[in-house]
Amino acid sequence: DGGITQSPKYLFRKEGQNVTLSCEQNLNHDAMYWYRQDPGQGLRLIYYSQIVNDFQKGDIAEGYSVSREKKESFPLTVTSAQKNPTAFYLCASSKGTSGDQETQYFGPGTRLLVL
Amino acid sequence: AQKVTQAQTEISVVEKEDVTLDCVYETRDTTYYLFWYKQPPSGELVFLIRRNSFDEQNEISGRYSWNFQKSTSSFNFTITASQVVDSAVYFCALIQFYFGTGTSLTVIP
Repeated sequence: DGGITQSPKYLFRKEGQNVTLSCEQNLNHDAMYWYRQDPGQGLRLIYYSQIVNDFQKGDIAEGYSVSREKKESFPLTVTSAQKNPTAFYLCASSKGTSGDQETQYFGPGTRLLVL
Repeated sequence: AQKVTQAQTEISVVEKEDVTLDCVYETRDTTYYLFWYKQPPSGELVFLIRRNSFDEQNEISGRYSWNFQKSTSSFNFTITASQVVDSAVYFCALIQFYFGTGTSLTVIP
């Protein structure tokens, strides 16, 4: 079945630690996205990538980093510079980034908690 | 600025009632897409509908219908004869980047 997988489902971070959230898609989509969801705030864009080896900052990129070395994979690293990382993180992909190719398909999410 | 407003934070209805979820957006673009997504308790967002700004025809899909009015910058979503399985958070989005804060719908049996 085609889709998006995110792992782990739950992730615990200690103070000062970097953690990496995995996102893989087998939909052959060019574009991939990372969103952060906090209660009552909807989804906010962290980073997105339109093609391999290229990515753009979203509204809340500070304290996060990404890479796009393969079309299928778009991992997100939450660095120690992100002071309030506790949130639900959603990865998505779309065929492209314009017109009717903007429709996004989402993974099941990773919940990050700080110890 | 691009912005989506979903003023209804939480709505509760009794099963079989109709319910409308409001979405108002702001954009200076002349061409754009609008979306509705459903987020059930499992957390994964599910795509419901996409609407091109040039197409103002209302859309109906089973118990779901959407009313797009460019003149008022609104893209409202109506569920007819609601069911318990409709309980979820519903998000309206402008292009692929700008999401509203969501409306949490609870359908009471």
